[in-house]
Amino acid sequence: AQSVTQLGSHVSVSEGALVLLRCNYSSSVPPYLFWYVQYPNQGLQLLLKYTTGATLVKGINGFEAEFKKSETSFHLTKPSAHMSDAAEYFCAVKSGGGADGLTFGKGTHLIIQP
Amino acid sequence: DTGVSQNPRHKITKRGQNVTFRCDPISEHNRLYWYRQTLGQGPEFLTYFQNEAQLEKSRLLSDRFSAERPKGSFSTLEIQRTEQGDSAMYLCASRGGGTQETQYFGPGTRLLVL
Repeated sequence: AQSVTQLGSHVSVSEGALVLLRCNYSSSVPPYLFWYVQYPNQGLQLLLKYTTGATLVKGINGFEAEFKKSETSFHLTKPSAHMSDAAEYFCAVKSGGGADGLTFGKGTHLIIQP
Repeated sequence: DTGVSQNPRHKITKRGQNVTFRCDPISEHNRLYWYRQTLGQGPEFLTYFQNEAQLEKSRLLSDRFSAERPKGSFSTLEIQRTEQGDSAMYLCASRGGGTQETQYFGPGTRLLVL
């Protein structure tokens, strides 16, 4: 079975500071990994994904993530936080064994302090 | 590409009533997914269609839940004899076939069972 752990249900950073949101996964097969962002009362928007190839993945809005197989991690970073980054962030892994649904973490609420 | 749409956006019902939600995927996408998201949690996979075939169902999908995609286009999710524990956001997502792994999410239907 797949699982995703997001450390920290809330993360607070100052505007302009580094953003680091942690994600660890478990998967019995090579995973596909995703980060989604959710603004209040809206659906999920894809930030970035890792399927194969380069382990450092760049996404929208200046976010990037690095797939580290040895650490089973896929942490999300952004060099300089902006007020508009305040939202809920979800890490997800594609289920293995032929299953197609995504398994999500519980999410991290990112707070940006002015 | 008009995105994934869901109707209604909000539904309030009384316990014991039946409700039905509709999802219209991105037009060329043959795969469609339903997820449920409760407050403070990540989305949980419910079921998945490829064209009109329902290929996967989560154990979360009790016998009070039924989903259809009769012509391989839009999908409906029906909940019979609703319970207060069914209150949640119901999200629909779609994706294209092949190696295109990204699921695109709709805005969701928020259900409140009184």
